[in-house]
Order: sequence, then C-alpha cells, then structure tokens
Amino acid sequence: SAVISQKPSRDICQRGTSLTIQCQVDSQVTMMFWYRQQPGQSLTLIATANQGSEATYESGFVIDKFPISRPNLTFSTLTVSNMSPEDSSIYLCSGRQGTEGYTFGSGTRLTVV
Amino acid sequence: AQKITQTQPGMFVQEKEAVTLDCTYDTSDPSYGLFWYKQPSSGEMIFLIYQGSYDQQNATEGRYSLNFQKARKSANLVISASQLGDSAMYFCAIGNAGNNRKLIWGLGTSLAVNP
Repeated sequence: SAVISQKPSRDICQRGTSLTIQCQVDSQVTMMFWYRQQPGQSLTLIATANQGSEATYESGFVIDKFPISRPNLTFSTLTVSNMSPEDSSIYLCSGRQGTEGYTFGSGTRLTVV
Repeated sequence: AQKITQTQPGMFVQEKEAVTLDCTYDTSDPSYGLFWYKQPSSGEMIFLIYQGSYDQQNATEGRYSLNFQKARKSANLVISASQLGDSAMYFCAIGNAGNNRKLIWGLGTSLAVNP
C-alpha cells in the first residue's frame, strides 16, 4: 500500500495567518482526501482532490478557506487560510492504492493562538 | 446516504483477553466496504482490516477479525489476546466499492487495556 509523508507534523500559528500542509505519496493515487479532526472528535472530510481538476468540497467547507492543490498523482497541499482558534485541529490526508485500506499521512497538529 | 454507528464511547479489557468493538452501518448501496482503523495518542491513523460486502468469509488480520453480519448490518471488530499497545481510539468507516470513494466515519470507541 502507498506510504504518505505529511508535513509539517505540528505547528503553532497566529490567527489571521495561513498554513500550507503538504502530502507526498510514494506511488500514484487517483484521489486524495483531506480530513479535519477536532479534539476528541471523529474525522470530518474537508474535500476530495483529483489531479488536474478543482477539488470537491464537503458541506461547510469552502475553497477560499481551504484551497487545495493537486498538481500530480503523488502530491497534494491543503492551505488553511485566515486562521482562527477554531481551526485548531489535526489535519490528515489520505489516499488508496489497490484494494487495501486507505493510507493516511501522519497528520498535522495545528494550534492557532 | 451512508451512516456508521459506534455505540461504545469507551471500553476496558484486561490484557490477554479478547474484546469486541461494535459497529453498525446503514447504506442503500449493494456494494460497499467496511474499514476499521486504530488511532493511538500519537494521532496517526492505522489501517487494521477491511471487509467487502460481497466477501463470503469474515476478514481476519493477525489478532484482528471482523464479525460481519450483513443481514444485521453489523461489522464488529474482535481483538484477540489484547495487548497494552492496543489502547487507542478505534474507528469504523464505510465506503462505496472502488478506490476513489470517500469514507463515512463513526464517532469511535476508546479502548483501554488494563495490565
């Protein structure tokens, strides 16, 4: 199964700033999924990213706040824009290759102060 | 729409004993997959086991097995011979067949293994 390297692993950011999270996959995956996990909660899908097309956002998430880049089948970025303390969460990227389970990056723990 | 229900917010088990974590699902799709993930305190999501809706046999992976009861729409995870390192959050998820379908997640069960 694919291995996903995600960075940064954690960051503390000032409100009003932006943070870009990167995920690099060691093999090609067609779709990448970006999740947010608020403290003590389950995973919430932000958007699904396909190569060469605009990401598909879930209800409650908009491109201006969470712009996503997917330049090729092995790389994607998620930007958290104009951050507020409510954006403090773990952000995870995920992809699937073959018939095994979806692989996840190690997550980005974001704290907004 | 698909839905996952995990009714056990927290579970305790003695080391070396078996434990069952419950998961029920709802879907109108005839073809779907069920997934279990482990999330330790470090935050990473670790894939444990997968069951396809048309699979005739219950999935097994080492100490993990999935008790799949299709008519009851349940997909319980059984962990045998619990170890201290099994203490973590466990999430059940459902997705449509195919590699490029989003997953719907349950709220998770926190498992604590006591020595």
